[in-house]
Amino acid sequence: EDQVTQSPEALRLQEGESSSLNCSYTVSGLRGLFWYRQDPGKGPEFLFTLYSAGEEKEKERLKATLTKKESFLHITAPKPEDSATYLCAVQAGSGGYNKLIFGAGTRLAVHP
Amino acid sequence: DSGVTQTPKHLITATGQRVTLRCSPRSGDLSVYWYQQSLDQGLQFLIQYYNGEERAKGNILERFSAQQFPDLHSELNLSSLELGDSALYFCASSAGQNYGYTFGSGTRLTVV
Repeated sequence: EDQVTQSPEALRLQEGESSSLNCSYTVSGLRGLFWYRQDPGKGPEFLFTLYSAGEEKEKERLKATLTKKESFLHITAPKPEDSATYLCAVQAGSGGYNKLIFGAGTRLAVHP
Repeated sequence: DSGVTQTPKHLITATGQRVTLRCSPRSGDLSVYWYQQSLDQGLQFLIQYYNGEERAKGNILERFSAQQFPDLHSELNLSSLELGDSALYFCASSAGQNYGYTFGSGTRLTVV
């Protein structure tokens, strides 16, 4: 069964303290791995898509990497405005079947 | 504004009632997805439509149904509501295979 596991469930950082969030997955026929950011009471906001092992993408203080079994979201020198829940999702299937399977998320709190 | 419009934003209704949630996808996107997010369960896939046709079903209850109309907007119908149906319901759209989702801001349903 396709599965996505994120760790840790929650992470508290001081402003400027870099860290990484983990997303491990078990899926047949991975077609893409997605990272989203979600603020309380709002819809998830797209951050990155990764398609193959070894791929990396960056946006401001965030960098996403992908291996064959997991992905990392690295946060460098975070600021309080980076506080949010970060969701990982995998896309699997074929044909017109395009379901995204989400992990439970990592709740990040960055304190000044 | 993500381009995906969901109405209403909030809905309070009594147990046993029936409600309809509406979603207008981003211009040009043919696929619509419905997700349920409750506090203890994360984002759970309900159903996908592509250009008016049902493409995939997730853990959608028999009391729930959906459809996508010729103008591509979609409606999620929830009937015989129970307290446990209280959740955020998100609609997302995508341009097709190998594309990520764009989420709407959600409908918060409270069943009392």
